[in-house]
Amino acid sequence: DTEVTQTPKHLVMGMTNKKSLKCEQHMGHRAMYWYKQKAKKPPELMFVYSYEKLSINESVPSRFSPECPNSSLLNLHLHALQPEDSALYLCASSQDTGRGRADTQYFGPGTRLTVL
Amino acid sequence: GIQVEQSPPDLILQEGANSTLRCNFSDSVNNLQWFHQNPWGQLINLFYIPSGTKQNGRLSATTVATERYSLLYISSSQTTDSGVYFCAAARNMEYGNKLVFGAGTILRVKS
Repeated sequence: DTEVTQTPKHLVMGMTNKKSLKCEQHMGHRAMYWYKQKAKKPPELMFVYSYEKLSINESVPSRFSPECPNSSLLNLHLHALQPEDSALYLCASSQDTGRGRADTQYFGPGTRLTVL
Repeated sequence: GIQVEQSPPDLILQEGANSTLRCNFSDSVNNLQWFHQNPWGQLINLFYIPSGTKQNGRLSATTVATERYSLLYISSSQTTDSGVYFCAAARNMEYGNKLVFGAGTILRVKS
């Protein structure tokens, strides 16, 4: 099973709302990722978690707050977003192979976020 | 960081035709993946191929790591092959999973 699930599929929120995106995998992977993809652009890395610890933050604004409560779950908490944050948010997971080694990343179907 | 360039940016094929997509990267890599993104946004893994050659049905891929490029071959194309094809790479000796995506190739297969 190489499935990564994400909920919700679609989300519309106002600029004063607080919402969360959820990602789950049961492949035993210990590395999990959040990517952001704007229309007609490639995905861009936001955060990497390794063994439930944040290992990479690509200078993402603090209105995006990631959380990894256990090895299977990854959340992205959203607060005071701007309309330009509207995008497809993709979660991925992989084996954590450490510095200098790598393994296949598997992506979820994404959450399409609209900020009004 | 690593730069990833894909060509061509757009490709229109008649059903049954063959095609080659190219990915150039600027540094040595320990991760290179090809993805197909369908119209609903799902990124589907095609190949994990930091070096060598792999085949999966009508698709095959070759990465020549010493020359810093990878090729994706699609044979006997079908309308369901339409979508965006991304190449993504992670630089060797960095944290191995920091993938950088190319801009993609938009493929349209006409019946």
